[in-house]
Amino acid sequence: AQKVTQAQTEISVVEKEDVTLDCVYETRDTTYYLFWYKQPPSGELVFLIRRNSFDEQNEISGRYSWNFQKSTSSFNFTITASQVVDSAVYFCALSEAMNTGFQKLVFGTGTRLLVSP
Amino acid sequence: DGGITQSPKYLFRKEGQNVTLSCEQNLNHDAMYWYRQDPGQGLRLIYYSQIVNDFQKGDIAEGYSVSREKKESFPLTVTSAQKNPTAFYLCASSIERGPEQFFGPGTRLTVL
Repeated sequence: AQKVTQAQTEISVVEKEDVTLDCVYETRDTTYYLFWYKQPPSGELVFLIRRNSFDEQNEISGRYSWNFQKSTSSFNFTITASQVVDSAVYFCALSEAMNTGFQKLVFGTGTRLLVSP
Repeated sequence: DGGITQSPKYLFRKEGQNVTLSCEQNLNHDAMYWYRQDPGQGLRLIYYSQIVNDFQKGDIAEGYSVSREKKESFPLTVTSAQKNPTAFYLCASSIERGPEQFFGPGTRLTVL
């Protein structure tokens, strides 16, 4: 079965530090998607990025960057120059194809990031 | 503004009572989902629906029921058969079969 592991339960940094959130996945699908979501204290999950399994190019969006390495089944997320507003729980997720043709998301357990001033 | 609304944000119920959580979307998405989140855990899929009048069980459907009479609405009923209903419930939607899902603000259910 598909599985997503986020080994870091909680990370604490001081503002302006860089921080990397790790995500390791297991899948039997040859085509799949990987996601990162942010969950601020309000509770709503905010979509950050989607990558498909054919595209291993790293991506940068402002202070956020993602490193997808198929060889190590990892999809790590780096925040550069962290800010207090980055404090949240971050979830990595993997798509799983079901026999209905539908794709569901399998989530990791999340990493809580605390950024202090 | 397009989005997903869930109501209420906080809900308290006595043990043994059924309770229905609302989820509405105006994104014109075909697919809708219900997830449950427990402290320190990821999201687990309860039910999903690809089209109106059709829905499928997810990984933890026992003690829950859903309906999909309209494209915009996918209410979840937590029945008295659910042994541990206190949790945070999130509704999501996607275009057709996804995979990208967009989430509502969630409902925190506490059973006393």
